[in-house]
Amino acid sequence: GENVEQHPSTLSVQEGDSAVIKCTYSDSASNYFPWYKQELGKGPQLIIDIRSNVGEKKDQRIAVTLNKTAKHFSLHITETQPEDSAVYFCAASYSGGTSYGKLTFGQGTILTVHP
Amino acid sequence: GAGVSQSPRYKVTKRGQDVTLRCDPISSHATLYWYQQALGQGPEFLTYFNYEAQPDKSGLPSDRFSAERPEGSISTLTIQRTEQRDSAMYRCASSPRDFYPYNEQFFGPGTRLTVL
Repeated sequence: GENVEQHPSTLSVQEGDSAVIKCTYSDSASNYFPWYKQELGKGPQLIIDIRSNVGEKKDQRIAVTLNKTAKHFSLHITETQPEDSAVYFCAASYSGGTSYGKLTFGQGTILTVHP
Repeated sequence: GAGVSQSPRYKVTKRGQDVTLRCDPISSHATLYWYQQALGQGPEFLTYFNYEAQPDKSGLPSDRFSAERPEGSISTLTIQRTEQRDSAMYRCASSPRDFYPYNEQFFGPGTRLTVL
């Protein structure tokens, strides 16, 4: 089955700095890679996703890059703000054909943005 | 409804008791997932429903765990003869479909289960 490794486990930055979180996956059949943000007491919420036919996707201050050959993908947050502080999870799944979109998550990164 | 809801939010039980957790998905969402999340870890897949069908139960840890979605909407997860290792956050998620671009999973707030 799929295995997703996520690094770092904790990340502390100053407001305005950039933050980068990296994930690797094992199953070359995976073709969908979402990133979730989990705030205290809440469920994970999708912030951005990328499909395997795309190398990079950007949404305002958030961007995700995917390297299919190396089987790794990264989340980039620019101009960080205190409200970006949360736990971030990467995930991988195969979505297509008769698949069911089961997500395999990384272990999570606790991001702290200091004012 | 406005989002995925789960009940109860917290459940404390004694070892050996049975517990049933409930998930109310977003209305009209075809697919529903159950995940188990240990403290400090990412959610781990338990099982999945496509309407009332349950194509995959491969993540259920043992036969003490079962889930159903009889009418294709509300789902329950039942753990029989609970053990201390079952203590975790149980999360439910739903999505419109299980294929892109309709496969965004919307998560509920979870049920925190503590087995004493």
